[in-house]
Amino acid sequence: AQSVTQLDSQVPVFEEAPVELRCNYSSSVSVYLFWYVQYPNQGLQLLLKYLSGSTLVKGINGFEAEFNKSQTSFHLRKPSVHISDTAEYFCAVSDPNPYSGAGSYQLTFGKGTKLSVIP
Amino acid sequence: ETGVTQSPTHLIKTRGQQVTLRCSSQSGHNTVSWYQQALGQGPQFIFQYYREEENGRGNFPPRFSGLQFPNYSSELNVNALELDDSALYLCASSWTDSYNEQFFGPGTRLTVL
Repeated sequence: AQSVTQLDSQVPVFEEAPVELRCNYSSSVSVYLFWYVQYPNQGLQLLLKYLSGSTLVKGINGFEAEFNKSQTSFHLRKPSVHISDTAEYFCAVSDPNPYSGAGSYQLTFGKGTKLSVIP
Repeated sequence: ETGVTQSPTHLIKTRGQQVTLRCSSQSGHNTVSWYQQALGQGPQFIFQYYREEENGRGNFPPRFSGLQFPNYSSELNVNALELDDSALYLCASSWTDSYNEQFFGPGTRLTVL
């Protein structure tokens, strides 16, 4: 079964400083990788995704992530954070559901990283 | 284009009761997935529906069941509610033939007392 590890449960960072949120996954097959953001009392919004091709993926709101197959990592970065980036961030992997037939996918999420931007 | 909507937004039930949560998928999407997000945790996959049939299930007991309708909207039913069922329930829709990007609704917050 897939698993996703987000190495930091909370990350405080000063406004305009850079930030990196770390994500590692376990997989022996090709996967799709995602980062979602969740603002308080809201659902999930997709920040960016890696499907194939270039290992550096750019997303919305100035975020980017780098896929590293050898290290099974997909870390999220932003060069300069804003107060509005305060939220919880989830890394997720998509893999065919091992309990059903081909064509069925599920997202496996990490436990999340709470990013707090300090003025 | 209408996004994913869920109803109700909040719900309070007591242990042993049954609950039905509803989800309308984004226009053009034919697959609906349900996730449970307990407080302080990441979402966990419950099951997925495609063409009105269950098309994958996570590690949840049979008292969690669902339906998908011809217009691709969906219901999540939970019987014999337990305290641990208290969570945010998220619905996500997608188009099966795509690269599996899932679009999430705002969720239903269920509290079991």
